[in-house]
Amino acid sequence: DAMVIQNPRYQVTQFGKPVTLSCSQTLNHNVMYWYQQKSSQAPKLLFHYYDKDFNNEADTPDNFQSRRPNTSFCFLDIRSPGLGDAAMYLCATSRPDSDGYTFGSGTRLTVV
Amino acid sequence: AQSVSQHNHHVILSEAASLELGCNYSYGGTVNLFWYVQYPGQHLQLLLKYFSGDPLVKGIKGFEAEFIKSKFSFNLRKPSVQWSDTAEYFCAVNPSGGGYNKLIFGAGTRLAVHP
Repeated sequence: DAMVIQNPRYQVTQFGKPVTLSCSQTLNHNVMYWYQQKSSQAPKLLFHYYDKDFNNEADTPDNFQSRRPNTSFCFLDIRSPGLGDAAMYLCATSRPDSDGYTFGSGTRLTVV
Repeated sequence: AQSVSQHNHHVILSEAASLELGCNYSYGGTVNLFWYVQYPGQHLQLLLKYFSGDPLVKGIKGFEAEFIKSKFSFNLRKPSVQWSDTAEYFCAVNPSGGGYNKLIFGAGTRLAVHP
């Protein structure tokens, strides 16, 4: 089945230690998104790629970076995780003219 | 500030009760509206969407939602809930009204249905 896969499901990292979360898709969608969802809060868009074009949200901290080496893969890099970065990170894809997203299962990040 | 508001953070119902979850948004102009559901341990899934036309939209699993433009609302309803509807429900808005789909989510409503 075509889907969006996020690895790992759970990630524990140390305070200040760089961490990378991965997302892959078999849908061949142009657009890939990263959302951050903290407990009891709405998912918040961090950035997205439209093909190779990177679009950062104005309030996304510099600590968060992303890479998209090809259509299928997209990575979220957190350069120096702080305790406040503990959250569920959701990857999603869409076509630019489509009517919704396809979401991955998310990666729950814990910072110790 | 532009936002999406869901009125209830937690709702507890008995099976067969009727459900209505509120959603209001503050974006002007043309918007596309969505409800997503997240079952325990699973990813977000699309329940239903509204782009244009009939403001009463029917989705999967017996859910429906009504777009009331004058009230900036898009409330989710189900006449008779089941235990399997226990999940978190998110309202979302695409404020651009099409093209690039930048979704803005509400904070979610956790629904617990008791047998």
